[in-house]
Amino acid sequence: DTGVSQDPRHKITKRGQNVTFRCDPISEHNRLYWYRQTLGQGPEFLTYFQNEAQLEKSRLLSDRFSAERPKGSFSTLEIQRTEQGDSAMYLCASSLVVEWGAKNIQYFGAGTRLSVL
Amino acid sequence: KQEVTQIPAALSVPEGENLVLNCSFTDSAIYNLQWFRQDPGKGLTSLLLIQSSQREQTSGRLNASLDKSSGRSTLYIAASQPGDSATYLCAATFANFGNEKLTFGTGTRLTIIP
Repeated sequence: DTGVSQDPRHKITKRGQNVTFRCDPISEHNRLYWYRQTLGQGPEFLTYFQNEAQLEKSRLLSDRFSAERPKGSFSTLEIQRTEQGDSAMYLCASSLVVEWGAKNIQYFGAGTRLSVL
Repeated sequence: KQEVTQIPAALSVPEGENLVLNCSFTDSAIYNLQWFRQDPGKGLTSLLLIQSSQREQTSGRLNASLDKSSGRSTLYIAASQPGDSATYLCAATFANFGNEKLTFGTGTRLTIIP
């Protein structure tokens, strides 16, 4: 088990460009989460998937953001027309939850740090 | 609105001392409370998770407690070491959100002085 992997680790882009991040969860984890963390703050929830279904999206996730988990394994987060305010660390987490209300330990990846110039 | 607060934002302690980190939350309808460690520029490492039916969890030199009635959790670190220096984040899931998203505090940056 290699843990949660995120790629790339760092991304520098110019304002207005599109970027895509990838997350590979721990194998057999059915839940996958995306969070965003800005400097000096705790992570903020963006969205999560149960298998391939996207079940909840935060108000933080504007229409420029889209996330997919097409086969219930890896996930991608795309940001279109990036803005300087999108600069942050984007964290992915996964967990295995076998029934609603059960213990839900989320394991985090190292994150993708996005800088929009 | 559920909020999680951590005070102080930063703490410095001489090596070898025992210390307590504090976390408070505004909604007693809590599902789980999880403590994480974050090293600079890195992701989060899960330390302990306390379910709402539990009062504490222990792992090595770490002990986390949960008091739902007062809306507080503490992380106790015994015999602190320089390697414990990091930012410690607490995060809660709340019952009315189905135990999904974590709501994080802003963290306490801990420095252990050799």
